[in-house]
Formats: sequence, structure tokens, C-alpha cells
Amino acid sequence: GAGVSQSPSNKVTEKGKDVELRCDPISGHTALYWYRQSLGQGLEFLIYFQGNSAPDKSGLPSDRFSAERTGGSVSTLTIQRTQQEDSAVYLCASSLGQGSDTQYFGPGTRLTVL
Amino acid sequence: AQSVTQPDIHITVSEGASLELRCNYSYGATPYLFWYVQSPGQGLQLLLKYFSGDTLVQGIKGFEAEFKRSQSSFNLRKPSVHWSDAAEYFCAVGATEGGKLIFGQGTELSVKP
Repeated sequence: GAGVSQSPSNKVTEKGKDVELRCDPISGHTALYWYRQSLGQGLEFLIYFQGNSAPDKSGLPSDRFSAERTGGSVSTLTIQRTQQEDSAVYLCASSLGQGSDTQYFGPGTRLTVL
Repeated sequence: AQSVTQPDIHITVSEGASLELRCNYSYGATPYLFWYVQSPGQGLQLLLKYFSGDTLVQGIKGFEAEFKRSQSSFNLRKPSVHWSDAAEYFCAVGATEGGKLIFGQGTELSVKP
């Protein structure tokens, strides 16, 4: 079956612009995660959605970052007023539930802020 | 707080040699532990996971890992490395709250012919 897909695969933007990154999880997966991978910080958790529960936003680095998940499926990560330190690969993952359930990762979106 | 340490940033082994990648974790209860592999330009692929039961777990591509509670370790092993194993390897622990993963810094594996 189809895996997790993300778009765009690459995004180049200018400092100060807003960007939206999209994630399509595996069908039927109730949990969806966003992570960020950068040279200086490694792999960091950003935000987690589980069913209809309130999302866990504890990993968002600033209020410029937000995410939503519509209809329990597709998710969009929005970064407002981008900064150069936002340059990273943004990875999305989904799983059937939580805890020991395997998280399946998408290929990521590489964001470059000039 | 939960954390994961991968002491080796970069390891080089010869093709056909054995491999062990180290992982130590800090966690208050029985952890969920994972090893993922990332090839250049690719997403993360799960190699294996531990959440209960037998402390020696088998994964894909001939990898195995052993959970040692007394040492807070979950080292990854392979008896004979292939050139295609060259990649970056990440150890992760599943957090208590929700299902988020806390990753180590990764170990880059190079394979010599």
C-alpha cells in the first residue's frame, strides 16, 4: 500500500515569508507526527496528533510554528515569518496508534530559507 | 527527562566484518526502543523495535539488538556487514507521554570494500 507522502519535496523561500508543508499519512493511521532534522539539532519532535484528542504541541520551537490535521487525515505544518534557522528537513510520520506502534516516516521536505 | 545517547558519531567497518552500534537511554520505566536507518536522501526506515518480552530482537536486513536493562543499553548488531548497509543509524526511545520518539544523534556507518 501507499506510504506516508509529503509535499513539496524541496522548498526554497526567502526570510520572512510563510511556508506550508503537507503530509498525507497512511490510510487508517490515527496518529501523526512531525519531526525536524537539522545538522545542529539532530532529529527533534515537533507536534503529535492522536485521533480527536488535543495535539501535543510541546516540541514546537516558537509561536511561528503551527500545524493542523483536517478530518483526521492530511496535516499541514505552517511556519510564519521564516528565519534562516528554520532551514531543515521536516519529516512526517504516522502510526496506527501510539506507544509501541511503529511510526512510518515520509521522505521529508527539505526547507531552505535564504 | 528521557534521552538517548549514541556515543559513536561515525564508524567505519570492512565489508564482511561484524558491526555493533551503541545506544544508551535514560528512562524511568520499561522503555519502547527502536532502531531506524536512513540512507542518503531517504526517510527513516524501521529496523527493529523492543517493547516487551525477549530481550534479543531480530529485525530486517539481518540486524538484531539486545535490550539490557542493567546497562540501559540497546545495541544494534550485525554479524557480516554489506556495502549497502552504509547509512545513518538512529536509536530512539518512545516517550511516556503520547507516542513521540526521542532520538539519539545518530551514527554514520561507512563500509570499506
